[in-house]
Amino acid sequence: SAVISQKPSRDICQRGTSLTIQCQVDSQVTMMFWYRQQPGQSLTLIATANQGSEATYESGFVIDKFPISRPNLTFSTLTVSNMSPEDSSIYLCSVASGYNEQFFGPGTRLTVL
Amino acid sequence: AQSVAQPEDQVNVAEGNPLTVKCTYSVSGNPYLFWYVQYPNRGLQFLLKYITGDNLVKGSYGFEAEFNKSQTSFHLKKPSALVSDSALYFCAVREGTAGNKLTFGGGTRVLVKP
Repeated sequence: SAVISQKPSRDICQRGTSLTIQCQVDSQVTMMFWYRQQPGQSLTLIATANQGSEATYESGFVIDKFPISRPNLTFSTLTVSNMSPEDSSIYLCSVASGYNEQFFGPGTRLTVL
Repeated sequence: AQSVAQPEDQVNVAEGNPLTVKCTYSVSGNPYLFWYVQYPNRGLQFLLKYITGDNLVKGSYGFEAEFNKSQTSFHLKKPSALVSDSALYFCAVREGTAGNKLTFGGGTRVLVKP
């Protein structure tokens, strides 16, 4: 199984600022995903990040709000831009390869004041 | 569109008793089914998956799940629950390969009482 780390593990941010979350994997993976888990809710896919191409965003999520980078096969970043309290969530990075299950990072707990 | 339903928000069970967490799914093609567990302040941990083959799949920590195509269900089971099994459980479905979207159910909180 892949080992995934995320930075920061948690942060408290002011309204209107931006936060970049980093995701590092210990092996090369084809597919990387970013999810959001709002308080008491299930996981919602934000976007799929493939190396060498633009991320594919799900309905309700846009690149201006959640820009994503995928510079290589082991690393990705998600930026939460112009934050509001509604962005307070856990953001999770996930990886998959082939037919295997997805593995998840420990998450980044974001609180926006 | 694919979807997952977990009809119970919470399941309470006494330690040592059998534990069942229900999941039904809807997908247009062949389903790839997964169970994950989330402990407080932790990420999701993979428990088990059904891709093809035997309908009864065994996973981590003594959990198992049975794929029932006619009932479109994939219930998670454990013969004897432990207090440490108390956590949030998510069922998920994907159609086909890892490039396709993984859709999660709403989650079921399991509380195992001593």
